[in-house]
Amino acid sequence: GAGVSQTPSNKVTEKGKYVELRCDPISGHTALYWYRQSLGQGPEFLIYFQGTGAADDSGLPNDRFFAVRPEGSVSTLKIQRTERGDSAVYLCASSAGTAPGNTIYFGEGSWLTVV
Amino acid sequence: AQSVSQHNHHVILSEAASLELGCNYSYGGTVNLFWYVQYPGQHLQLLLKYFSGDPLVKGIKGFEAEFIKSKFSFNLRKPSVQWSDTAEYFCAVTGSSNTGKLIFGQGTTLQVKP
Repeated sequence: GAGVSQTPSNKVTEKGKYVELRCDPISGHTALYWYRQSLGQGPEFLIYFQGTGAADDSGLPNDRFFAVRPEGSVSTLKIQRTERGDSAVYLCASSAGTAPGNTIYFGEGSWLTVV
Repeated sequence: AQSVSQHNHHVILSEAASLELGCNYSYGGTVNLFWYVQYPGQHLQLLLKYFSGDPLVKGIKGFEAEFIKSKFSFNLRKPSVQWSDTAEYFCAVTGSSNTGKLIFGQGTTLQVKP
């Protein structure tokens, strides 16, 4: 597609359940990023991939959060034992590389609500 | 700690007024700086970026920003706003050695009255 695609666009889940959020980056983009945005806040970095490997996962809040990108294209963010505090918009982004001249393009996000 | 501070949380202007949104950052080393915009119901879009050269950078839709290294600032400006500029604006920084990790400010909501 033309842009970064994220599914689902909305997800309501019960506390304690497992959730997967999917990101399909712009075709050919080698770098892929996950951010989390809570109400009234700016996006908060979680992790980014260069190809298949996680180049920096320092933003993952705890071991309940995990992300994969097995073939260097689509990525899945996985959240185990969800908590109400995990409710946020999860943003995916991609770029042709991580050099400063490369623009990072964001998707529309997946709204996660944990009840 | 690495951080970005946006001084104005909510700005209300009339059309044709001039705009300046403040952004200060705390980051060791050489930085790259960005302004992103999020129009209502849309995704984040890049307005402009600075990574080297002329500290005055021009972006889309008549926006510009000036990098003042001594003040750790990257303020966004527009001489005459339009109703269509109503949006949320985010300042962000990366380090030159870790360009994949954007640190965002809290955002400024701009409301332009027609």
